Amino acid sequence: EAGVAQSPRYKIIEKRQSVAFWCNPISGHATLYWYQQILGQGPKLLIQFQNNGVVDDSQLPKDRFSAERLKGVDSTLKIQPAKLEDSAVYLCASSPGTREAFFGQGTRLTVV
Amino acid sequence: KQEVTQIPAALSVPEGENLVLNCSFTDSAIYNLQWFRQDPGKGLTSLLLIQSSQREQTSGRLNASLDKSSGRSTLYIAASQPGDSATYLCAVWGGTYKYIFGTGTRLKVLA
Repeated sequence: EAGVAQSPRYKIIEKRQSVAFWCNPISGHATLYWYQQILGQGPKLLIQFQNNGVVDDSQLPKDRFSAERLKGVDSTLKIQPAKLEDSAVYLCASSPGTREAFFGQGTRLTVV
Repeated sequence: KQEVTQIPAALSVPEGENLVLNCSFTDSAIYNLQWFRQDPGKGLTSLLLIQSSQREQTSGRLNASLDKSSGRSTLYIAASQPGDSATYLCAVWGGTYKYIFGTGTRLKVLA
């Protein structure tokens, strides 16, 4: 069974530029999560999707972050414009509806 | 609001030592607790998942226990090796179907 796929693995951008991350969850998993992990901290949930609907986006900085999961499968997280403090690892995870999620390898973003 | 704390934040031990990592949570109404390993710049690797009805889980040199009533879990690593060096994260799964993570323990095992 293929795992959660994320791309790119690494990205370096200048502040005020935009960036997008892509996630393809495990086939059949209805729930998809995006987490932000700042260096030295635990992952923090940004947004949770159930199929193509948003369940929780209470910690998503909506003035600059957006996410979509249009067909209920893969998802894109976008930052526009990026700030220095957005430098982090962005983790995508998916769940089949059981109380366990499976994580991708993450995308490391550096904003300079 | 659920809060998860891990102690110590960092730990450095000589090879061969047995060690204990601690995780505490404020709301005992959890469905499960999971321990992850994270290598620098990488994603999360699941180590052990303990259902709320269980007291412990074991995998190889790893043993995790759960005491819901006191809001605590411990991860025991026997006979530590340099390859165990990583950050260890615990996460609880609550009633809203999402993980709440602790801040992690950075472990370094010295050869």
